[in-house]
Amino acid sequence: SAVISQKPSRDICQRGTSLTIQCQVDSQVTMMFWYRQQPGQSLTLIATANQGSEATYESGFVIDKFPISRPNLTFSTLTVSNMSPEDSSIYLCSARDGGNQPQHFGDGTRLSIL
Amino acid sequence: SQQGEEDPQALSIQEGENATMNCSYKTSINNLQWYRQNSGRGLVHLILIRSNEREKHSGRLRVTLDTSKKSSSLLITASRAADTASYFCATDVLGGGADGLTFGKGTHLIIQP
Repeated sequence: SAVISQKPSRDICQRGTSLTIQCQVDSQVTMMFWYRQQPGQSLTLIATANQGSEATYESGFVIDKFPISRPNLTFSTLTVSNMSPEDSSIYLCSARDGGNQPQHFGDGTRLSIL
Repeated sequence: SQQGEEDPQALSIQEGENATMNCSYKTSINNLQWYRQNSGRGLVHLILIRSNEREKHSGRLRVTLDTSKKSSSLLITASRAADTASYFCATDVLGGGADGLTFGKGTHLIIQP
C-alpha cells in the first residue's frame, strides 16, 4: 500500500498568515485528496487534487482560502491562507490508485492558530 | 455533509471482550472502508469491502455489509488495550467518479485493562 508523508507534522501560526502543507506519496497514484478534521470531529473532504489542472473543491471550501497544487502523480500541496483560529484543525492528505481501491492517509498536520 | 452514522458513539469494554461497531449510510456505494485513528493521529486503513461482498476478515477484524439495509458492522474479537482508538467508516459513493470518501462520525472505543 502507498506510504504517504506529510510535513510539517504540526505548526503554531499567527492569525492572518498562510501555511503550505506538503504531501508526498511513495508511488504514483491516480487520486489525491485533502481532508480537514476539526477538534473532536470526523473528517470532511476539502478537495480533490487533480494532476495538471485545478482542484475540485467541495461545498464550503474555496480556492482562495485553500489553494492546492498537484504538479505530478506523487506530490501535492495545500495552502491554508489568511488563517484564523477557526482554521485550527488536523489537515490530512490521502491517496488511492483508481476506483474501488483502498484509500490511504498520511499522519496529518496539526495546525493551531493563535 | 456526513454520509454515515456510526453507533455507538462511544464504547467501553473489558480487555478480551468483543467490540462491535455499526455504520449506516444513505446512498448507494461502490465500497465501504473502515479506519482506525489513535489520539488525533493519521488514519490507519483496516478493511475495504465492496458492494458485492457481504463479509470480510482480517486477523481479529470481521466486517459485514448489508446493502439492502445500507449498513455495515465492524467486529473486533478478543480486544486488547492497544485497540483503544476511534473507528470510522467511510463510503465511496456510487457514481461519485473521482470523489473522495464520505466519513461517518466515528466510534470512540476504550478497552479497559
